[in-house]
Amino acid sequence: EIVLTQSPGTLSLSPGERATLSCRASQSISSSYLAWFQQKPGQAPRLLIYGASSRATGIPDRFSGSGSGTDFTLTISRLEPEDFVVYHCQQYDSAPPTFGQGTKVEIK
Amino acid sequence: QVQLVQSGAEVKEPGASVKVSCKTSGYTFNDLYIHWVRQAPGQGLEWMGWIYPHGGGTKYAQKFQGRVTMTRDMSISTAYMDLSGLKSDDTAMYYCTRDGHDRTFDYWGQGTLVTVSS
Repeated sequence: EIVLTQSPGTLSLSPGERATLSCRASQSISSSYLAWFQQKPGQAPRLLIYGASSRATGIPDRFSGSGSGTDFTLTISRLEPEDFVVYHCQQYDSAPPTFGQGTKVEIK
Repeated sequence: QVQLVQSGAEVKEPGASVKVSCKTSGYTFNDLYIHWVRQAPGQGLEWMGWIYPHGGGTKYAQKFQGRVTMTRDMSISTAYMDLSGLKSDDTAMYYCTRDGHDRTFDYWGQGTLVTVSS
C-alpha cells in the first residue's frame, strides 16, 4: 500500500499570501493518478486537482498542482478567506487508493 | 447535473449492522464505479471499497473484509454499503463517491454520520 505523507500538518498564513502544500509518496506514482481535494467543515471533500496538475471544473486558477514521482505540490497563489480549510492528497496509481492525512490551512 | 444523495444519520449499538444508501442521478449509473470512503472524527479519509454497478463486482479494503458488503439496485440507480459487527471506532462519516474516469473521485455524496454507542 502506498503511503502519502502531507506536510506541514498545519500552515498558518494570512489572506493574500501564497500557500505551498506538499504530498510525498512512499514509492513513485504516475502523476496521472494523483489528486487533491479541499474539505470545508461539515462538508464532503471536493475535487480540486486531478492528474497532478489539471484543475477540476469550476476551480479558480489560483489553485495549481505540480510534481512527479514521489513529490507533489498544491499551490494556492493568493489565499482568499474561503481557502482556510483542509486539503487532502490522494493516489490511485495502485490499489488500494490511499489518502494523505491532510493539511489544515489556518489564518495567522 | 450529477448528484449523489445519501441516506440519513444512524445511531447503532455495538455489534449491530448499518446499511447506508447512495442514490445517484445525472449520469448512467451502469458505467462508473462507486467507492465508499469514511472519515472518523478529526481524522483523515479511509477507503473502504468499490462496486461496479454493471455486473455488481466488488473489491473491499483488507481491513473491512468479512464485515462490509456493497450492493446496488440498478432500477433506482442506488448503491448500498452494509457494515456489520459495528464497534465504537466505526463511528465516522461515511461517503460514497463516483470514479468519474481515470480513477478520479469527481463527485461525492453529502455523507452519512454513523454513530456506534451503547
